[in-house]
Amino acid sequence: GAGVSQTPSNKVTEKGKYVELRCDPISGHTALYWYRQSLGQGPEFLIYFQGTGAADDSGLPNDRFFAVRPEGSVSTLKIQRTERGDSAVYLCASSVTGRDTEAFFGQGTRLTVV
Amino acid sequence: GQQLNQSPQSMFIQEGEDVSMNCTSSSIFNTWLWYKQDPGEGPVLLIALYKAGELTSNGRLTAQFGITRKDSFLNISASIPSDVGIYFCAGQLTTPLVFGKGTRLSVIA
Repeated sequence: GAGVSQTPSNKVTEKGKYVELRCDPISGHTALYWYRQSLGQGPEFLIYFQGTGAADDSGLPNDRFFAVRPEGSVSTLKIQRTERGDSAVYLCASSVTGRDTEAFFGQGTRLTVV
Repeated sequence: GQQLNQSPQSMFIQEGEDVSMNCTSSSIFNTWLWYKQDPGEGPVLLIALYKAGELTSNGRLTAQFGITRKDSFLNISASIPSDVGIYFCAGQLTTPLVFGKGTRLSVIA
């Protein structure tokens, strides 16, 4: 596709369950970023991939959060034992240059933990 | 960590009016960015600023990188209904980007 694609658009899960959020970056973009946007806030950095490796995971809030990008394209953000406080929009962005200032965002996945 | 204060939080303006919003930081940045986010969409980059004092325009939008490197403003001239949305500033000294909380703009026709 032409842009960054995120699936699902919306996800409702019960507290304690495991969820996976998927990001398809723009073709050829080697850099991929995950952000979390809580209600009324700006995006907050979670993790940055350059190729297959996580170059910076300093934004992951705790060890319940994990992300992978096994082939250097699609990435999956995984959240274990979800909590109500995890409810937010999870945004993915990709860039061809490796600079986050030149990244394009997807539409996000709205996660609601009930 | 670095924090950005973005103001105003929200504003209601008449169509055709000019708009001004700003962002201040407790520490210096070497890059300032301005984004617009529509409901259900991700942020879209409007203007990027890379040098203190830089003034850059994109159509009806003008943004400046403050001389102190701790602030930036965005102006929108002659607002139109499609300007409605949330505007975010973002700054960077080293990665990653730090975002403000946004200014919600409503335009009354």
